[in-house]
Amino acid sequence: AQKITQTQPGMFVQEKEAVTLDCTYDTSDPSYGLFWYKQPSSGEMIFLIYQGSYDQQNATEGRYSLNFQKARKSANLVISASQLGDSAMYFCAMREGVGGTDKLIFGTGTRLQVFP
Amino acid sequence: DAEITQSPRHKITETGRQVTLACHQTWNHNNMFWYRQDLGHGLRLIHYSYGVQDTNKGEVSDGYSVSRSNTEDLPLTLESAASSQTSVYFCASSGVQRTDTQYFGPGTRLTVL
Repeated sequence: AQKITQTQPGMFVQEKEAVTLDCTYDTSDPSYGLFWYKQPSSGEMIFLIYQGSYDQQNATEGRYSLNFQKARKSANLVISASQLGDSAMYFCAMREGVGGTDKLIFGTGTRLQVFP
Repeated sequence: DAEITQSPRHKITETGRQVTLACHQTWNHNNMFWYRQDLGHGLRLIHYSYGVQDTNKGEVSDGYSVSRSNTEDLPLTLESAASSQTSVYFCASSGVQRTDTQYFGPGTRLTVL
């Protein structure tokens, strides 16, 4: 079974609107971390936001927030006030286990296009 | 500023040749990882290391090897390059805390003809 599922291969959003990118995960480990990365056309992987399984509040970083629904095993990324520069691939990833030594498992990504 | 670099950024080679991709990080991170990125697959883990002299196989390790002789470097070697290994390769590093994210290098685009 897929550990990380991103069901939206592509999404469109108008500039200044909010958009939600979906991510569901599958794990039996009570301790895990969820990450979102952005990959613009230039190719680099840029860390956006992190959510720990024991965190009580949803993570936020500027215009990025993570809608963490533990019971549903979902960790959707919300981008508020979209900008043209937000056009990129977005990857959800999970790390199982307690320590930072555990490896990341990535979803297949969602391509976001922001139009004027 | 700390960073993670990869070289070369682009490489074209022929089937059967040995190829080594370099990865160097100045974060002083114990953990280092190699991924490949292919369309429709996201990033898949090739090998990883938790410290000097430690190496481990990832999801797609066949045909690849790594060695870790110091904290800063984790070179990835393709023993005998195959066309199926045409891909973009990313190196990453992280600290040991649960909240530590992985920082990625800029990637190496490898083409095997």
